[in-house]
Amino acid sequence: EIVLTQSPATLSLSPGERATLSCRASQSISSYLAWYQQKPGQAPRLLIYDASNRATGIPARFSGSGSGTDFTLTISSLEPEDFAVYYCQQGSNWPRTFGQGTKLEIK
Amino acid sequence: EVQLLESGGGLVQPGGSLRLACAASGFTFSSNGMGWVRQAPGKGLEWVSSISGSGDDTYYADSVKGRFTISRDNSKNTLYLQMNNLRAEDTAIYYCAKGNSGTHHYWGQGALVTVSS
Repeated sequence: EIVLTQSPATLSLSPGERATLSCRASQSISSYLAWYQQKPGQAPRLLIYDASNRATGIPARFSGSGSGTDFTLTISSLEPEDFAVYYCQQGSNWPRTFGQGTKLEIK
Repeated sequence: EVQLLESGGGLVQPGGSLRLACAASGFTFSSNGMGWVRQAPGKGLEWVSSISGSGDDTYYADSVKGRFTISRDNSKNTLYLQMNNLRAEDTAIYYCAKGNSGTHHYWGQGALVTVSS
C-alpha cells in the first residue's frame, strides 16, 4: 500500500500570504496525484488532478507541482475562503490512498 | 450538471447490514468508474471501494474486504454499497464519487452510517 504523508499537519497563515502544502508518497506514483479541499460540513472538492491540472472552476491562485514521490500544492495569495483542510490522493496503485490532511488556519 | 445523491444511511447495530445507494445524473453513468469514500467523525478521508464503468472490475480497501460489496445498475444510473457485518469503526459519512482513477471530480453530499447498539 502506498502511504501518502502530508506536511505540515497545520499551517497558520494570514490572508494574502502564500501557502505551500506538501505530499510525499512512499514510492513513485508518477503524476497520479490529486488534491482536494474540504470545508466543515461539506463534501471534498477536487482542486488539482494529475499533479498539476486545475479542475473546472478552480481559481488560478491554486497550482500543483511534482512527480514521482514529492508533490506540492501552492496557493499564491490566500483568500478568506481558502482556510480549510486539504487532502492529497494517489491514483497509481490499488488500494487508492489519501494523505492524513493539512489544516490551513487563519493566523 | 453532475449530481450524485446518496441514500440508505442510518443507525444499525453491530453485526447488522445496510445498503447505500447513489443516484447519478448529468453524465453518461455507464462510461464512468465510480467509488465510495468515507470519513469517520473528526477524521480524514478513507477510500473504501471502486468499480469500473461496466461493473466488471471492483476494488476494496483491506478494512472492508469480504464485508462490503460494490455494484452498479447502469440501467438505473445507480451505484450501490452493500455493507454486511458492520462494526463500530465503520461509523462514518459515506460519499459517492465519480471516477475510479484516483481523481474524483464530483462528490455526493454524503450519507451518515452509525453502527451502535
